[in-house]
Amino acid sequence: NAGVTQTPKFQVLKTGQSMTLQCAQDMNHEYMSWYRQDPGMGLRLIHYSVGAGITDQGEVPNGYNVSRSTTEDFPLRLLSAAPSQTSVYFCASSPGVNNEQFFGPGTRLTVL
Amino acid sequence: AQKVTQAQTEISVVEKEDVTLDCVYETRDTTYYLFWYKQPPSGELVFLIRRNSFDEQNEISGRYSWNFQKSTSSFNFTITASQVVDSAVYFCALSERTTDSWGKLQFGAGTQVVVTP
Repeated sequence: NAGVTQTPKFQVLKTGQSMTLQCAQDMNHEYMSWYRQDPGMGLRLIHYSVGAGITDQGEVPNGYNVSRSTTEDFPLRLLSAAPSQTSVYFCASSPGVNNEQFFGPGTRLTVL
Repeated sequence: AQKVTQAQTEISVVEKEDVTLDCVYETRDTTYYLFWYKQPPSGELVFLIRRNSFDEQNEISGRYSWNFQKSTSSFNFTITASQVVDSAVYFCALSERTTDSWGKLQFGAGTQVVVTP
């Protein structure tokens, strides 16, 4: 099993550009989530999904969109990148809401 | 409001010393889950433990041990006889069952542990 994969690993964007961070898991997990990690702030939840077709907002959803058309994939879209979105983004999956989460390797995004 | 507080930003120890990381949480739920994750310098996040609110037994796994005390809303983590490989950022996290918080894992800010030889 590949576990949770994320692409790309690094990305540089200009302010106003849009892009999609990809996340996929091969463990048939129902629960998937996106976090951003900023220095001194831990991980903050952006969006999450409890199953295909179901998504909800986390703590810091503004500026991001998600969809979940399949169990395996949970892409995160930045609509119009801003410097405040410079961060490391982690995708995670889990068998259920209260179970151990398996994290992807992260995507380091810089917005100039 | 911050629901998980890790007051220690950084702890530096010399190898073989014990180190205790504090985690204080806030919830009104009677059913909740607490987690610890490790983030080594390579950046990945590694699951260490999950504890539900009904199980207050302390747990030991090798050099790691956890002390869960509902009376003080704390879930502290101790590394015994620390090693250089223990150098990492450690995160405590909370998952609640309330309607507003259901589905949301809430992390503390993390504690950086630096173990020097």
